[in-house]
Amino acid sequence: DTEVTQTPKHLVMGMTNKKSLKCEQHMGHRAMYWYKQKAKKPPELMFVYSYEKLSINESVPSRFSPECPNSSLLNLHLHALQPEDSALYLCASSGSRLADRTSTDTQYFGPGTRLTVL
Amino acid sequence: SQQGEEDPQALSIQEGENATMNCSYKTSINNLQWYRQNSGRGLVHLILIRSNEREKHSGRLRVTLDTSKKSSSLLITASRAADTASYFCATAAVGGSRLTFGEGTQLTVNP
Repeated sequence: DTEVTQTPKHLVMGMTNKKSLKCEQHMGHRAMYWYKQKAKKPPELMFVYSYEKLSINESVPSRFSPECPNSSLLNLHLHALQPEDSALYLCASSGSRLADRTSTDTQYFGPGTRLTVL
Repeated sequence: SQQGEEDPQALSIQEGENATMNCSYKTSINNLQWYRQNSGRGLVHLILIRSNEREKHSGRLRVTLDTSKKSSSLLITASRAADTASYFCATAAVGGSRLTFGEGTQLTVNP
């Protein structure tokens, strides 16, 4: 199974709502990522989890809160977002159990969640 | 600043023609990767080339890497309408812990 799944596919939320994005992989990868992508721009790294521990936070505002409940799951909790946070949010994973390298290996991306903040 | 810069920003060709996209970067790398993204969807990994490799092939794809010029090119031969997508290069810097994506090339293949 070489698939990364993300739910929901689309999300519309108000600025006072709390919602969560979910990501799942069953490839045994040890690194998982959240990226934010605006239209016609490359993905911007937000967070990296390595072996279920947060290893990189790219100075992301606290209204975005990541969580890694286990090695297969990654969540992104959203609270009090702003309209400028509207974007495609991509999850990715990389690094097999046998490899020491993780975040600079091939990354496998999910289809993304299209988020609109009203 | 952005590690990878891609050229051209947009490319429009006819089916059957070849498409070449270029990527330049600034620092020493462990590897360079190419990804494809269809409109509004996730990225799909195409090919990874390591710093000690000069050329790699995968089907209709050919990637070259020139570490002395800090540049890479992606050639898609005999293009198809289904190749229409954005193509991103991503670099893994020596000593780094993340991939850095270029700005991307939007390829349109007209039937």
